[in-house]
Amino acid sequence: DQQVKQNSPSLSVQEGRISILNCDYTNSMFDYFLWYKKYPAEGPTFLISISSIKDKNEDGRFTVFLNKSAKHLSLHIVPSQPGDSAVYFCAASGWEYGNKLVFGAGTILRVKS
Amino acid sequence: KAGVTQTPRYLIKTRGQQVTLSCSPISGHRSVSWYQQTPGQGLQFLFEYFSETQRNKGNFPGRFSGRQFSNSRSEMNVSTLELGDSALYLCASRLGLEAFFGQGTRLTVV
Repeated sequence: DQQVKQNSPSLSVQEGRISILNCDYTNSMFDYFLWYKKYPAEGPTFLISISSIKDKNEDGRFTVFLNKSAKHLSLHIVPSQPGDSAVYFCAASGWEYGNKLVFGAGTILRVKS
Repeated sequence: KAGVTQTPRYLIKTRGQQVTLSCSPISGHRSVSWYQQTPGQGLQFLFEYFSETQRNKGNFPGRFSGRQFSNSRSEMNVSTLELGDSALYLCASRLGLEAFFGQGTRLTVV
């Protein structure tokens, strides 16, 4: 039972364009969402997070949008750079869920120069 | 400030053997979680320890166990290894809601 779903296994974009990575969740107890980036042979690195009381959070080139009614969040990367090529994981957590982090399966992003 | 340190980085074991992996969290972090990453499966939660007590547990068989010491360092043990246990095992430490990961231990069972 996948509670956090990243339905696109991979995404390819041109350098300088926008990358949009999507994530859906099913458990309404989740109230905190995070995005991680992972390079091969390294551990995931925290990118950006959003609380359920917000619908948008920005940090430089990265913006996360949350649509609670649709149980959907997305990560926008603008402009995309070749160094952004990595696997991106969406994760969800919640106080009532024991603060456990539940991860999606990941999306491989390739930014072409 | 040192990050999360996992040892060893790579390990090859034979079916039926047991293995112990180690994780040293970021100084001051008392929560340590373990995850298994396999291709296409994302990061599957194994368990979380906080102040030497298991606080959360995922849906893994009893062959997977862990413990945490008073200095917050954690170990994960897998007994009676199976071929399907081959994976990247990641440890993460937390102070708040964000988890900080180590580089992982790549376990190969042959």
